[in-house]
Order: sequence, then structure tokens, then C-alpha cells
Amino acid sequence: AQSVTQLGSHVSVSEGALVLLRCNYSSSVPPYLFWYVQYPNQGLQLLLKYTTGATLVKGINGFEAEFKKSETSFHLTKPSAHMSDAAEYFCAVSVSSGSARQLTFGSGTQLTVLP
Amino acid sequence: KAGVTQTPRYLIKTRGQQVTLSCSPISGHRSVSWYQQTPGQGLQFLFEYFSETQRNKGNFPGRFSGRQFSNSRSEMNVSTLELGDSALYLCASSLVGARNTEAFFGQGTRLTVV
Repeated sequence: AQSVTQLGSHVSVSEGALVLLRCNYSSSVPPYLFWYVQYPNQGLQLLLKYTTGATLVKGINGFEAEFKKSETSFHLTKPSAHMSDAAEYFCAVSVSSGSARQLTFGSGTQLTVLP
Repeated sequence: KAGVTQTPRYLIKTRGQQVTLSCSPISGHRSVSWYQQTPGQGLQFLFEYFSETQRNKGNFPGRFSGRQFSNSRSEMNVSTLELGDSALYLCASSLVGARNTEAFFGQGTRLTVV
């Protein structure tokens, strides 16, 4: 069975500092991994995804993530935090059941950006 | 291009009632999935529909059901509402239901059961 674990339910950074949100996965097959962001009272917006190929994935709003098979990790980073980055972030793995597809999400990390 | 549209955005129901939520996927998307989001359980998969057929169902009681129409629009129904059904219900659509295609989410329907 596939699963993801997000380390740290709350992360605080200063504006301009590095953002690092951690995600580790467990999968018996090559994983397809996603990072989503959720602003208050909104749905989920896709930041980036890893399927196959290049292990460093660039997404929207300056975010990127690196797939590390040896560490079973897919951490999200951004070199310089902006106030508008304050939101909840979810790591997800795509689970396949026959021809169907579902996402299994981590528990989320609330990012606070301090002025 | 319009995104995923969920209606209504907010809903208040009484215990024991039933409720129907609606989701219109992005034009051309044939796969629609539903998720429940609560502070305690996080984001949990409810079910997925593709070409009017339910292909997968999460670990929820039979009170939760859904369907998909020929135009790919989907509805989910919850009967005999319980207080614990209070949640944000999110619908996601994707072009095809393959593992490597991204899902696009609607803004959700906030259901409050009193």
C-alpha cells in the first residue's frame, strides 16, 4: 500500500528565508507524487508533480521538489519565502487500483511566514 | 477555461437529513473523484467515477453514494446525516483516470450538520 508522511504539522519561517517542507513516501511500485497548496476556505491547487524522468521538479510560485528514491523522500523547497506563501501544504501519492486512480494525502503542513 | 465548479459552497443540514452535492468538472475531463476533509481525519478519498461508472470507493459507510452523468457532471449524496459528516467535501477532475495525470480540485462544499 502506498502512503505519505509529512514531518512537521506546523512550520514557521521568516520572510525571505528558505522554505523546506518534508514528505516521505512508502510505495511498493514506482510512485507518482504531488504537492498541493490550500489557502483558507479554498480547494487544493497543484504546485508540482513527479511522475518519471528528471528527479528535480519545478513548480509554480518558485517552488521545487526533489525525488530521492534512496531516501524515499519528496521534500518541497523555495529559496525565499513570501508572505503570500502562508497556507497549508499537502503531499500526495497516486494510488492505482486496477484502472482507477486515487490520491492518498499526507496530514498537511501549515506554513506561517513571519514578517 | 472554467475550472471545477462545486455547488453549493456552503450548506447547513440537520442530523438525519440527506444532502446532495454537485460537481461540474473541467470541460473534457471524464474522471471525477470526491474527497472529504476534516480537521481530525485530514483528506480522505470517497470515490472515483469515470464514464459514469464508479471505479473505486474509499472506506466510508453506504450512506455515502455518488453518481456521474453522461456529461461527466457528478453528484454525491449523504443520507441520514450525522454530526461527524460535517466537513469540506472536495471534488477533483482529471482528463483520464491514470496515475500520472494531475487532479484539479474545486473550491469545495462546506457541509455543517447540526
